[in-house]
Amino acid sequence: AQSVTQPDIHITVSEGASLELRCNYSYGATPYLFWYVQSPGQGLQLLLKYFSGDTLVQGIKGFEAEFKRSQSSFNLRKPSVHWSDAAEYFCAVGPYTGTASKLTFGTGTRLQVTL
Amino acid sequence: EAGVAQSPRYKIIEKRQSVAFWCNPISGHATLYWYQQILGQGPKLLIQFQNNGVVDDSQLPKDRFSAERLKGVDSTLKIQPAKLEDSAVYLCASSFRQGTYEQYFGPGTRLTVT
Repeated sequence: AQSVTQPDIHITVSEGASLELRCNYSYGATPYLFWYVQSPGQGLQLLLKYFSGDTLVQGIKGFEAEFKRSQSSFNLRKPSVHWSDAAEYFCAVGPYTGTASKLTFGTGTRLQVTL
Repeated sequence: EAGVAQSPRYKIIEKRQSVAFWCNPISGHATLYWYQQILGQGPKLLIQFQNNGVVDDSQLPKDRFSAERLKGVDSTLKIQPAKLEDSAVYLCASSFRQGTYEQYFGPGTRLTVT
C-alpha cells in the first residue's frame, strides 16, 4: 500500500530565509509525486508534480522539489520565503498507471513565517 | 474559468441528524472526487466518479455515507445519520479525465457534529 510521511508537523522560518519541507513515501513501483498547498479556508492548490525525467522539478510560486529514489524522498524547497507562503503543505503520492488517479496524502506541514 | 464550487461552506448539526453537501465541478471535467479531511490529517479519498459512474468508493462508509452524480456534472454527498467523528472538511475536486492527476479542489465544506 502506498503511504506518505511528512515528519515535520510545524515549521517556522523567517521571511527571506530558505525553506525545505520533508516528504518520504512508500510505494512498490514508480510513483507519481505531488506537493499541494492549502491556505486557511481554501482548497488545495497544486504546487508541482513529478512523473518522470529530470528529478528536480519546478513549480509555481518559486517552489521546487527533488525526487531521490534512493532515499524515497521528495522534499520541497524554496530559496527565499515570503510571508504569503504561510500555509499548510501536503505531499501526496499516486500510482503510476494510466487509469487510476487515487492520491494518498501525508498529514501535512504547517509553515509559519515570521517577519 | 470558474473553479470548483461547493456549498454550504460551513454546517453544524447534531449527531444522528442528516446532512448533504453539493459540488459543482469545473465545466468539462469528467472526473469528480470527494475527500474527507479530518483536522490534523491529510485529505482521504471517499469516492471517485467518472462521469456518473463510480470508479472507487472503497473508503466510503457506506452504512452512513452516500454520493451521487446523476447527470455527470453536479454531485451530492450525504451523511445519514451523522456521528461525532464525521466532523471534518469535505473537499470536492475535479479533473479533466480519469487517469490524470491535475485535480482542482474546491474550498470545502466544514462540518461540525455536536
